[in-house]
Amino acid sequence: KAGVTQTPRYLIKTRGQQVTLSCSPISGHRSVSWYQQTPGQGLQFLFEYFSETQRNKGNFPGRFSGRQFSNSRSEMNVSTLELGDSALYLCASSLLYEQYFGPGTRLTVT
Amino acid sequence: AQSVTQPDIHITVSEGASLELRCNYSYGATPYLFWYVQSPGQGLQLLLKYFSGDTLVQGIKGFEAEFKRSQSSFNLRKPSVHWSDAAEYFCAVVPRNTNAGKSTFGDGTTLTVKP
Repeated sequence: KAGVTQTPRYLIKTRGQQVTLSCSPISGHRSVSWYQQTPGQGLQFLFEYFSETQRNKGNFPGRFSGRQFSNSRSEMNVSTLELGDSALYLCASSLLYEQYFGPGTRLTVT
Repeated sequence: AQSVTQPDIHITVSEGASLELRCNYSYGATPYLFWYVQSPGQGLQLLLKYFSGDTLVQGIKGFEAEFKRSQSSFNLRKPSVHWSDAAEYFCAVVPRNTNAGKSTFGDGTTLTVKP
């Protein structure tokens, strides 16, 4: 079975721009979660989608949003990028409790 | 408040030595317990999990973990560390009868392996 894929793997953006990241879960997994990972803050939960609905949400500003499509693929969007948004963004898919992570998208904001 | 604690930020062991990484949790009822490993610049990989039953669980790459209810701990062990085990290790919990979206991760322990 193919693993979780994330595109793009690397991205460089300028402050004020917006960005969209994509995640394709393992076939059959209906839950997709997004995390932001930085050296200073560690692994922080952004949100989780299940069957096209946001089921859980972390403590991030409204600039961070996401959606899930009927095939369970998910996208997250960050608007009005700030320097502090530079991070590794991880997507994880799940059937129930354990999560399977993608390789991440490294976002650099300049 | 519910929490997961990995007391050791950084651990250094010699290749071939044994390893134990600590994880403590604070939850009303025993949650589901997990260990993940992350190599630099990569995503997290599930090493092992505990739901119920035998308190000693075996995982991939020769790792095992022991659940101790009395200590609210789920420590990860390996008898003989290899240089390729150098990575960051995360303990995670999910409250029973919820879902993966309720996962809480520890802050991680970075393992360095000396030759």
